[in-house]
This record gives sequence, structure tokens and C-alpha cells, in this order.
Amino acid sequence: QQPVQSPQAVILREGEDAVINCSSSKALYSVHWYRQKHGEAPVFLMILLKGGEQKGHEKISASFNEKKQQSSLYLTASQLSYSGTYFCGTERGSGTYKYIFGTGTRLKVLA
Amino acid sequence: GAVVSQHPSWVICKSGTSVKIECRSLDFQATTMFWYRQFPKQSLMLMATSNEGSKATYEQGVEKDKFLINHASLTLSTLTVTSAHPEDSSFYICSASRQGSSPLHFGNGTRLTVT
Repeated sequence: QQPVQSPQAVILREGEDAVINCSSSKALYSVHWYRQKHGEAPVFLMILLKGGEQKGHEKISASFNEKKQQSSLYLTASQLSYSGTYFCGTERGSGTYKYIFGTGTRLKVLA
Repeated sequence: GAVVSQHPSWVICKSGTSVKIECRSLDFQATTMFWYRQFPKQSLMLMATSNEGSKATYEQGVEKDKFLINHASLTLSTLTVTSAHPEDSSFYICSASRQGSSPLHFGNGTRLTVT
């Protein structure tokens, strides 16, 4: 089952902050975050493997809760270049390794 | 960083014809590649997992006879859309990872338009 992201869409002004959530009904082995711009391939942002983990670089960070069922992506002091659709992704095991994406969050940053 | 090449970038074909899309990992060996389909403003939906030297594993609802996947080598996987119809028009994108829990590296996608 596909992880559910919230909000579905958000509009920000430059410099504002945003939080994107990714939730699963089952514990996730790991969570990855990607950003996709229109007509392009997704670009990897970061990966979290451990419950309770937090990591980030520059103004983008993420957390993975202790139960490993929810992850949040934090965008601070947003820039125009942050516009795009953000996806969380996760691996599924049980026999066949596969990789699925969350429902997506469209982010638009206005000048 | 790892590079995955996908081509063609776009293709327009007539109903009933077949289209082949290639996905190559240029600088690493990919034992597993994934094929996704994406409709406008929607998420990437996994179609199948392609494993080198074995049959692909298709997701529920994906017709294996229509979307033929071949993973002939550790660097090449192909998706053939057979007897294409207008409803097959979509953005198809492949990805590969070096190993489990590694980031996925994506091809640039193929926009298929069936007229």
C-alpha cells in the first residue's frame, strides 16, 4: 500500500517554511525523499534508516519517527528552486524487493 | 554520481504498434531495475521490478503480456509496450539502485503518446 503524504499541495512565499508528512500503516524499512520538477526525473534528497533519526543538509531536513511509520520533510527559508513535487519512497520486502512512492506533495514557492 | 540513461525521451506512435524503451545504468551494475508509470499530477506507480537474468515481477493490475520487460544484462533493461493504445499514453520512467537501501537513480523518462 502506498504511503500517504500530506498536504497534497502547498503554496509558499520565498523565505517561508513548510513541512511535508509521509505516513504508512505499517513500519517502513527505510524512507527516502525525492523532489521532482515538471517533466523531469525525481532527484534524491536524503534517506533515513533508523527510527528516531533526523538528518539534513542546508535548509532541508527530515525525521523518521520511532515507530518508523511516519517521516517528515522540513523546508526552511524556502527558495524559488524548492518548487516541485516531493515524494517519499520506501522499500518493500517479503520475497521480492521493490520500491514504491508516496502520494506526493506539490510545492510552489512564489517570489 | 551514478548515471542511468533512458531513451527515447519521447515517442509518438500509432495505435496498434509497439514501442521499446531502453534503460541503461552507465557506471554501475544494477541487478534490479524498476519501471514506473506516471500520469499528470500523480505519483510514480510501480509497474514492475526487473531482475537481471530472470522474469520481471509485475504489480497487480499491470498486464505482463502488454508491458514486456527484459533485463538481459546487469546494465540494460527494456520495456516494450505492445499493441499500444491511446490510454497507454503516459510518462514512463526507469530507475536502478546499486543495492538495497541505496538511493534510486532515475532515467530521464520517456513520454509516450499514442495516437
